[in-house]
Amino acid sequence: RKEVEQDPGPFNVPEGATVAFNCTYSNSASQSFFWYRQDCRKEPKLLMSVYSSGNEDGRFTAQLNRASQYISLLIRDSKLSDSATYLCVVNAFSSNTGKLIFGQGTTLQVKP
Amino acid sequence: DAGITQSPRHKVTETGTPVTLRCHQTENHRYMYWYRQDPGHGLRLIHYSYGVKDTDKGEVSDGYSVSRSKTEDFLLTLESATSSQTSVYFCAISNTDRGDNQPQHFGDGTRLSIL
Repeated sequence: RKEVEQDPGPFNVPEGATVAFNCTYSNSASQSFFWYRQDCRKEPKLLMSVYSSGNEDGRFTAQLNRASQYISLLIRDSKLSDSATYLCVVNAFSSNTGKLIFGQGTTLQVKP
Repeated sequence: DAGITQSPRHKVTETGTPVTLRCHQTENHRYMYWYRQDPGHGLRLIHYSYGVKDTDKGEVSDGYSVSRSKTEDFLLTLESATSSQTSVYFCAISNTDRGDNQPQHFGDGTRLSIL
């Protein structure tokens, strides 16, 4: 089983749609969770951290379910500019090395 | 954006030649990482550093070496490049001294082709 698993998609949605991505992780001891965004042929960029209580940043909402070991990202009112690959990221539980485990990403294509 | 510069941005070289990629940061972060990204594999950690002269292996370290002689520079060397090392290489930094829950920030990447 992969340490971080995501549905690769692609998710094809019309502008204005709401879309949700889920991600599961295998290590119950993981403490830090993030969503990154990666545009084609670009570097990954931090979209948002994921907190236990859930958190929102504009149109983006992240949720964490520790009991089921999954993380979700909800995008409301999708824009064309949201088209990208979204990476689910979990810390590798080790002696404070800051190592992260990256999912392979979910591709979103927002169409006019 | 985090002050991370990778060089070169693109390189084409031949099998068997040595290649060195450079990552330079201006954030004074202790932790630096080298990844490669390939279709179907996502980002995979090659080596990382937790301080000057302190480095450790990642999951795909065979065929690669690293050096960190200054806080700001982390070098990745392919001693004898092979075609399987054709990839996009990303450097990342994190401020992990503030706690283990810090994200990483990435450089623009180096596209390396080994012919």
